[in-house]
Amino acid sequence: DTGVSQNPRHKITKRGQNVTFRCDPISEHNRLYWYRQTLGQGPEFLTYFQNEAQLEKSRLLSDRFSAERPKGSFSTLEIQRTEQGDSAMYLCASSLGQPAYEQFFGPGTRLTVL
Amino acid sequence: GEDVEQSLFLSVREGDSSVINCTYTDSSSTYLYWYKQEPGAGLQLLTYIFSNMDMKQDQRLTVLLNKKDKHLSLRIADTQTGDSAIYFCAESTSGYSTLTFGKGTMLLVSP
Repeated sequence: DTGVSQNPRHKITKRGQNVTFRCDPISEHNRLYWYRQTLGQGPEFLTYFQNEAQLEKSRLLSDRFSAERPKGSFSTLEIQRTEQGDSAMYLCASSLGQPAYEQFFGPGTRLTVL
Repeated sequence: GEDVEQSLFLSVREGDSSVINCTYTDSSSTYLYWYKQEPGAGLQLLTYIFSNMDMKQDQRLTVLLNKKDKHLSLRIADTQTGDSAIYFCAESTSGYSTLTFGKGTMLLVSP
């Protein structure tokens, strides 16, 4: 069990550029969640998948954001035309499909938009 | 909408007990969690409690739940400097659903 991994760990980009983050969940976990955390705040839910199906999206997820989980394993989160307000830590978590009470979090990808 | 509130900062001396408090507004909250976040590290689940329980103890950690007042607390006995971190209270309405987090309480333990 290698835990949830996220790449890259840090990303610096210029406003207007597109960025893509990757999350690899724990192998047997079929639920995958994306959260965003800004300085001084708790994580805020963005979206989640059960297997390859995207089941829920937060209203925080503007149309510049898109997430995929094509084969029900790893997931990508893309932000198009980045804005300075997108600067945050993007966290991925996974859990078992059964009523499982723990979401296992990855270390996060810190995005800085200049 | 759902809201989770926490005090922002707590300072204690090593060896003392720490009590971190949390209130939530969603009466359908079924699962309540305490997560720990250390600098540069991911969120780590410390413990959780179901809404039909009043108390849960796990080694140095004691969770108390007052469902009537929607108040949750985390007590850390014999607090150590290694307990210094940000502690997040979170709630969900089911074991499947997403988590709603508070803003976190920074615990500082001094020697």
